[in-house]
Amino acid sequence: DIQMTQSPSALSASVGDRVTITCRASQSISNQLVWYQQKPGKAPKRLIYKASTLDGGVPSRFSGSGSGTEFTLTISSLQPDDLGTYYCQQYTSQPYTFGQGTKLEIK
Amino acid sequence: DVHLVESGGDLVQPGGALRLSCTASGFSFSTFWMTWVRQAPGKGLEWVANTNPDGSWRFYVDSVKGRFTISRDNAKNSLFLEMTSLRAEDTAMYYCARDPFDDGGMTLDYWGQGALVTVSS
Repeated sequence: DIQMTQSPSALSASVGDRVTITCRASQSISNQLVWYQQKPGKAPKRLIYKASTLDGGVPSRFSGSGSGTEFTLTISSLQPDDLGTYYCQQYTSQPYTFGQGTKLEIK
Repeated sequence: DVHLVESGGDLVQPGGALRLSCTASGFSFSTFWMTWVRQAPGKGLEWVANTNPDGSWRFYVDSVKGRFTISRDNAKNSLFLEMTSLRAEDTAMYYCARDPFDDGGMTLDYWGQGALVTVSS
């Protein structure tokens, strides 16, 4: 199984900060990576797929990059609505696996 | 608008059984892969099972193989998860999600609100 490891597990940042979350795969997954955002008490929401393709309606302050085994999700200017937990997920091979999540708090 | 609504979550004893349902609307259900994902309380996301548009292919995470069965009724725009021999570690919120199968794999673009399954005596 492909293991997905996110860092950090939690972070606290201020409105306007640039935030970066890293996701590492235990083997190459090309660019077959998705990022989801989950707000407290809600279902996850897809933000980015194919490592860098932004979903419709997702603010342009979100961006994704990377290929192979290392990926990043960047929020260029943090907004209060961005609080929640972010998960990466690989879809190169089954079982499809998620990272453990990064909990983002607003200072 | 795409809507996915799960039902059937409940408190069940270890060794018991439960059937979850997911009713879809707002899209052509019969043309999409569909998936169940679960989330144990305070934990991360885990893919459980998925099925192709006509239901002829079904895939499961190892921990539920032989105990859970995913199925669908395209005439009723419905997805199901039959769960048997339930264990405490199956306690979770179970989400139904649509998979457009972008780029040849699971990328879940719409999710239901979840159904809570609690396995406890």
